[in-house]
Amino acid sequence: AQSVSQHNHHVILSEAASLELGCNYSYGGTVNLFWYVQYPGQHLQLLLKYFSGDPLVKGIKGFEAEFIKSKFSFNLRKPSVQWSDTAEYFCAVNRNTGKLIFGQGTTLQVKP
Amino acid sequence: NAGVTQTPKFQVLKTGQSMTLQCAQDMNHNSMYWYRQDPGMGLRLIYYSASEGTTDKGEVPNGYNVSRLNKREFSLRLESADPSQTSVYFCASSGAPDTQYFGPGTRLTVL
Repeated sequence: AQSVSQHNHHVILSEAASLELGCNYSYGGTVNLFWYVQYPGQHLQLLLKYFSGDPLVKGIKGFEAEFIKSKFSFNLRKPSVQWSDTAEYFCAVNRNTGKLIFGQGTTLQVKP
Repeated sequence: NAGVTQTPKFQVLKTGQSMTLQCAQDMNHNSMYWYRQDPGMGLRLIYYSASEGTTDKGEVPNGYNVSRLNKREFSLRLESADPSQTSVYFCASSGAPDTQYFGPGTRLTVL
């Protein structure tokens, strides 16, 4: 079945550690890719998105993601996490239909 | 500019009761969506409306109905609530096949 997979369900890091969250999708053809973040008790906010062009995209709060077409991947990275990055992170894909397909989510806990 | 608003924030229902979740956006977006969020399953699309006057089923439409009342408002109705519908419900809107903007969510418990 076509899907979006996030490999890490729960990640625990210390402050200043580097972060990489994996995301793979199984759709062929052109896709638009997104990472959303949900801070505790809040609604989803867009971190970054990729539609075309440079496969390395930069988002808010120091996050970036790299689109690797051959690997059907769109991994999220941050060189040095902060306690305030504690949140749930969702990868999502759409195929120009407007409908987003979400991954299962990754809970990130950053220890101060 | 409030973005996407949802009411109510919290609701408790008994099995078999009905209710309507309201959503409104003030960004003049054509498309609106209803999702449910369950632990370990991410967000799943219930229904969406690509434009005023149109609605289509998403991934998990059973047990729900929707109404696109006008360009601003998109409501989700549970006709006969079931405990399996206990979830957090998010409404979203977008101006194109593009970034979706989410509301604050409605936490629904069905006893």
